[in-house]
Amino acid sequence: EPEVTQTPSHQVTQMGQEVILRCVPISNHLYFYWYRQILGQKVEFLVSFYNNEISEKSEIFDDQFSVERPDGSNFTLKIRSTKLEDSAMYFCASSERGRWTGELFFGEGSRLTVL
Amino acid sequence: DAKTTQPTSMDCAEGRAANLPCNHSTISGNEYVYWYRQIHSQGPQYIIHGLKNNETNEMASLIITEDRKSSTLILPHATLRDTAVYYCIVRVPRNTDKLIFGTGTRLQVFP
Repeated sequence: EPEVTQTPSHQVTQMGQEVILRCVPISNHLYFYWYRQILGQKVEFLVSFYNNEISEKSEIFDDQFSVERPDGSNFTLKIRSTKLEDSAMYFCASSERGRWTGELFFGEGSRLTVL
Repeated sequence: DAKTTQPTSMDCAEGRAANLPCNHSTISGNEYVYWYRQIHSQGPQYIIHGLKNNETNEMASLIITEDRKSSTLILPHATLRDTAVYYCIVRVPRNTDKLIFGTGTRLQVFP
């Protein structure tokens, strides 16, 4: 069964450092997403991406965050200058038909720890 | 998007049906009901969605009341692997990409 894969599974970084989280969405999907979940809290939407541009973003997704689809298979989330409060599990998701179905396929997540 | 209310936790014996309720009394006519679950700290997993008719797939059944103010997710024969947090989400598909996750119901399936 096709799946969304994310790397790394866990990254530890120092405050102020740049981090790139990588995702390989399901191959025929056209809509891509990042969500995050701070330990013990709710899953929160960060951003959606379609046709090589951001289609929607939350207030969490400020200037320190960026997303990119550098090639035909990868989808990345960059955090420019990490803060302690960026420590969370980051989930990538993809969808074949986007908002019209609401059926998203999530990866296993990348745990980011900022020290 | 309409607000949903779910019980914080529920138990179910293995092999029995798990019935997870969700209240969405302020749901509007074009809002769909979605169910996702999250096993431990894994990524959320889509289960099912519907507008007003009952729906069934290989994972579960979704029963939506006639007034659409509440719904029930039914796992017909719960297994230990169904232990997870179950989220009921309502949204209008064309309005937004995002899914708004609440705190969900923690379902514990016991042997």
